[in-house]
Amino acid sequence: GAVVSQHPSWVICKSGTSVKIECRSLDFQATTMFWYRQFPKQSLMLMATSNEGSKATYEQGVEKDKFLINHASLTLSTLTVTSAHPEDSSFYICSARDTRAPEQFFGPGTRLTVL
Amino acid sequence: GENVEQHPSTLSVQEGDSAVIKCTYSDSASNYFPWYKQELGKGPQLIIDIRSNVGEKKDQRIAVTLNKTAKHFSLHITETQPEDSAVYFCAARPPGANSKLTFGKGITLSVRP
Repeated sequence: GAVVSQHPSWVICKSGTSVKIECRSLDFQATTMFWYRQFPKQSLMLMATSNEGSKATYEQGVEKDKFLINHASLTLSTLTVTSAHPEDSSFYICSARDTRAPEQFFGPGTRLTVL
Repeated sequence: GENVEQHPSTLSVQEGDSAVIKCTYSDSASNYFPWYKQELGKGPQLIIDIRSNVGEKKDQRIAVTLNKTAKHFSLHITETQPEDSAVYFCAARPPGANSKLTFGKGITLSVRP
């Protein structure tokens, strides 16, 4: 299957700081990218959907000013958690899809810990 | 919107036995049904998928069946191995370039050596 990478794989930061997570599709053009959040032993919770060059569409209850998403190219999307707080600690996973095909591929995830 | 139910929440099988995981969906417009395997601390890995114009698909030890009338689909793993132990998620998605996957809650499969 296609490869999606994420960086960093884990990050620890102090409360009040901002953290940027990068998501790249390595061998295909990701016309649509998705950002998920996952709590321990739970399913995937979609945070937002973004199309290359367009503003992201956020799911209900997700603060767009707190979780900034940029999808500047067909291979790169970034999620910035602004003014992070301990309750933002979670496993963040990006996903990418070339909408000419049905498959959606996931990155390896980023473990964020806010102290 | 779409609702995907996955049962049971845990499944334990003896190595070498078969495992079957079932999911139901609510939106008859859904036409794409992937299955993901997630190991601890990793992202979900697409292992097999099926489209609504097909009733069954097989890839080595893994197969997926779809019953559109009953709106359920199942993952079948034969000759299970300890490395099959993971959380498995089913999902469903309607047509459309920006349509979203709706996931089940996941099932933890344990394969006993």
